[in-house]
Amino acid sequence: GENVEQHPSTLSVQEGDSAVIKCTYSDSASNYFPWYKQELGKRPQLIIDIRSNVGEKKDQRIAVTLNKTAKHFSLHITETQPEDSAVYFCAADTGTASKLTFGTGTRLQVML
Amino acid sequence: ETGVTQTPRHLVMGMTNKKSLKCEQHLGHNAMYWYKQSAKKPLELMFVYNFKEQTENNSVPSRFSPECPNSSHLFLHLHTLQPEDSALYLCASSHAGTGNTEAFFGQGTRLTVV
Repeated sequence: GENVEQHPSTLSVQEGDSAVIKCTYSDSASNYFPWYKQELGKRPQLIIDIRSNVGEKKDQRIAVTLNKTAKHFSLHITETQPEDSAVYFCAADTGTASKLTFGTGTRLQVML
Repeated sequence: ETGVTQTPRHLVMGMTNKKSLKCEQHLGHNAMYWYKQSAKKPLELMFVYNFKEQTENNSVPSRFSPECPNSSHLFLHLHTLQPEDSALYLCASSHAGTGNTEAFFGQGTRLTVV
């Protein structure tokens, strides 16, 4: 089955700096890679996703890159703000069984 | 509100009790999931139902028993749980078959086993 590894487990940045979270996956059949944000006491919510036919996708201050050859993908947050503080999860899906496999999460703290 | 509702929000039960968690979605999805979230394993898939059929049982102990009577409702029946089963149980739904689609989560049930 799919195995998703995520690093780092915790990340502290100063407000305005950039944050990068990296994930690797094992199943070359995976073709969908979403990122979820979970604020304290709330449910995980999709913030951005990328499909295997593109290498990069951007939405305002967040971007995701995908390297299919190396089987890794990354989340980039620029100009971080306090409201970006949360736990971020990457995930991979082969699309055949509608089963998302999640990484272990990164706790991002944006300091004032 | 994402359209996925879980009840109860909090549950405290003894190890000999029997209880059920309920999940309901009004998004027209045909796949529903149970995830366990704890400090040790942040988002651990437990069960997957596609079109009411269970397609995944991720080596979950038999003290957890899922039920999916229709594509809008999902239950997790609990009996003789252990303290280590204390966790946040999250339900999610999505469009099955196409894959590559967003999973919408409920707010979860915070379970404490005493």
